[in-house]
This record gives sequence, C-alpha cells and structure tokens, in this order.
Amino acid sequence: QKEVEQDPGPLSVPEGAIVSLNCTYSNSAFQYFMWYRQYSRKGPELLMYTYSSGNKEDGRFTAQVDKSSKYISLFIRDSQPSDSATYLCAMRWRDDKIIFGKGTRLHILP
Amino acid sequence: AAGVIQSPRHLIKEKRETATLKCYPIPRHDTVYWYQQGPGQDPQFLISFYEKMQSDKGSIPDRFSAQQFSDYHSELNMSSLELGDSALYFCASSSPGGEQFFGPGTRLTVL
Repeated sequence: QKEVEQDPGPLSVPEGAIVSLNCTYSNSAFQYFMWYRQYSRKGPELLMYTYSSGNKEDGRFTAQVDKSSKYISLFIRDSQPSDSATYLCAMRWRDDKIIFGKGTRLHILP
Repeated sequence: AAGVIQSPRHLIKEKRETATLKCYPIPRHDTVYWYQQGPGQDPQFLISFYEKMQSDKGSIPDRFSAQQFSDYHSELNMSSLELGDSALYFCASSSPGGEQFFGPGTRLTVL
C-alpha cells in the first residue's frame, strides 16, 4: 500500500461546478499537507499548504485536513477551464522530502 | 518573484552517455531537493541538500550523484544512462522549515 492514495481520475466537471479532490494517507507522522497543481510538462505549483487539522481558504480554493481520519481534501469553487490540470496531494514530516499522491487529472468542461 | 531555475530545459542523450542537470534555487533558500517524474507518475524523491551537505537520500541509483555548491546551486550528475532514465527531473528549493517550490524541470530523453 502506498503511503498516500489518490484517485488518478480523470475527473470531468462542467464549468462553474464545485470540484472535490481527496487523498488518504497511512502514516500518522505526516505533519504538513500540501496541494500542488501541475500543468502538462510543467513543474508542480504550490496551491495550498496546511499544518493542522481544519480548513484553510484561499480565493476559490479550500483545503481540508482531518488527521484523525488521515484524509485531506481540496475544494475548488466556481471551477474554470483554466483549472484543468493534474492536482497532486502531498505531505511530509518536519524538514523532509515530499511524498506525493499519484495525482488526479481534472478537466473542466466549458 | 524569483523562481527556481533549471537548466537545460530539454536534454537528449544516448544510452551509456552522461548528463548533468543544474538547479539554481530561489535566493536565500538553502535547501535543494531533486525529484524524478516518469510518464504518468508522481514525482519521486531522489536526494536533498541542506547547507551544501546531503540531508536525505531517496530512490537514487548509484549511477547518479549530486552536490550543492557554495552559491547553493546544485547539480545532478547521471552516468551510464539507461532508457528508463527518461523522465522529467525537478528541482525544488526551500528555506529552513519552509515549503518547497519547484522549478520548471528538465526533460531528459535517453535514446
């Protein structure tokens, strides 16, 4: 079992819909939780970064962490075609390498 | 804002050749990480450096080596290249305890 599990999709939703992306993890030692967005043949771009359980909002993006369930989510409101990309959940210990999920390919249909 | 710079952006090599990838971190970032991303895969950690010393090692083949220099830039040296080494190689940098920011990557193709 991988340390971080993420459904690879693809996930197709109509423009304007709310998108929900999720990951589960097995290692309770993870302390930092991130979401990266990656466009084709580009480097991962940090979208959201959280440390504790709870919600964090940034514009149209909300990250949610539930450490008791070892479950993290990313919500995208008012989705746009430009949001079409691969979304990678990621986590790490204190000062350590990132462990990524497989990434979910998201398509926003105009 | 300045970002992580990687060079070259694209590299084509033949089997058994060597390759050197370079990474220039964001100014004042002292930690550099190298990741390898195969087609359709998530990035896999290779190696990291903090203050010019190796700080962690992942699934890096013995044919690969890396170092961080006094100006904090890093180089990944790859020898005896194999077809399976074809991938995107990302460098990320961070400040102490901070988040990792990724460069645009070097696409290595081994023929």
